[in-house]
Amino acid sequence: DVKVTQSSRYLVKRTGEKVFLECVQDMDHENMFWYRQDPGLGLRLIYFSYDVKMKEKGDIPEGYSVSREKKERFSLILESASTNQTSMYLCASSPPAGAYNEQFFGPGTRLTVL
Amino acid sequence: GDSVTQMEGPVTLSEEAFLTINCTYTATGYPSLFWYVQYPGEGLQLLLKATKADDKGSNKGFEATYRKETTSFHLEKGSVQVSDSAVYFCAPLIYNQGGKLIFGQGTELSVKP
Repeated sequence: DVKVTQSSRYLVKRTGEKVFLECVQDMDHENMFWYRQDPGLGLRLIYFSYDVKMKEKGDIPEGYSVSREKKERFSLILESASTNQTSMYLCASSPPAGAYNEQFFGPGTRLTVL
Repeated sequence: GDSVTQMEGPVTLSEEAFLTINCTYTATGYPSLFWYVQYPGEGLQLLLKATKADDKGSNKGFEATYRKETTSFHLEKGSVQVSDSAVYFCAPLIYNQGGKLIFGQGTELSVKP
């Protein structure tokens, strides 16, 4: 069974802390994505990656960075967490772009920044 | 730019009622179209998809038809169940951005017994 796992389901951090959210996929997918989900706004793309060490900015990259040192792992980093980064964070992976490019999602990490 | 407009929720229905969730999109090129579903406390999972005009995607009693002329992909189900309570997302896939999905804001469905 295909799987995308995220390191934590719930996380509470303080303003100014450095936060790491980890995502691992076991499907040998080239593409990986980080989204944040907020009520009324749907999912917004933060960063994505087509390959190891490759990254592209999504729609809302400010305040975030990413790292992809291995194909199966894609990390989202909040360099200095702020309260407006309290949100649900979803990771996804997919094979290369094509007609059936389904994205597979992890269960999400609900981050609260106090 | 590329965008998706979904029917606003929450939508509340009684069990066995007919469901329609409207979705229209603006996208460059000829996108594939997806509906994702998010059950409470879970991540998103693919519900159905369609890749060309007039294609009908179907799964678990849900259906949606790719209407190129009206740029729409409305989700329907003839008889909803309590277990269908979830948030539904319409998402075209934009190929010229490397397979980027554009998500609507989501429509929350609540089905009462």
